[in-house]
Amino acid sequence: GAVVSQHPSWVICKSGTSVKIECRSLDFQATTMFWYRQFPKQSLMLMATSNEGSKATYEQGVEKDKFLINHASLTLSTLTVTSAHPEDSSFYICSAPRQGPHEQYFGPGTRLTVT
Amino acid sequence: GIQVEQSPPDLILQEGANSTLRCNFSDSVNNLQWFHQNPWGQLINLFYIPSGTKQNGRLSATTVATERYSLLYISSSQTTDSGVYFCAVSYSSASKIIFGSGTRLSIRP
Repeated sequence: GAVVSQHPSWVICKSGTSVKIECRSLDFQATTMFWYRQFPKQSLMLMATSNEGSKATYEQGVEKDKFLINHASLTLSTLTVTSAHPEDSSFYICSAPRQGPHEQYFGPGTRLTVT
Repeated sequence: GIQVEQSPPDLILQEGANSTLRCNFSDSVNNLQWFHQNPWGQLINLFYIPSGTKQNGRLSATTVATERYSLLYISSSQTTDSGVYFCAVSYSSASKIIFGSGTRLSIRP
């Protein structure tokens, strides 16, 4: 099946620093990728849609200046959490739809802890 | 926006038991998927099932699109089936998908 990878799998950073998370589709191209955030014992909440070659589309309530998304190629999207604070600590997951039959495939997630 | 509700929210069963998880959605959708999130957070694709019935080993799923619900059946549960099961829907093939609140399944030995 299709594989999506994320790096790093976990990261601890100090408050005020920035963290970059990479999402790669390993065996297919993805013009669109999605970024989700999941707090403990909650469902996945969509943060933004990453579009190759154009600006990301953010969901209501998500600060686009805080969560910078870059979709530089057909296999790579990055999420940068800028000036991270403890409330940004969460599990971040990316996904990419694969053509035919258009299933969404998810990365393994990145656990961010801001101290 | 579309609402996705899952029931029950929690389910505790003995090993070997069968279970049925339900997903209701508020609007017509073109895509529906079932996922299992393991204890490490990885989402595992179980079924891509916008309509009809599919089976994969001890798991099967049925979606009745006209009535806006889907069911996931797990037979002869094993402890490794424990985790959270999510239903997710989208309007079109590459559009964003909306997750339900999930069903937390615990299988006791």
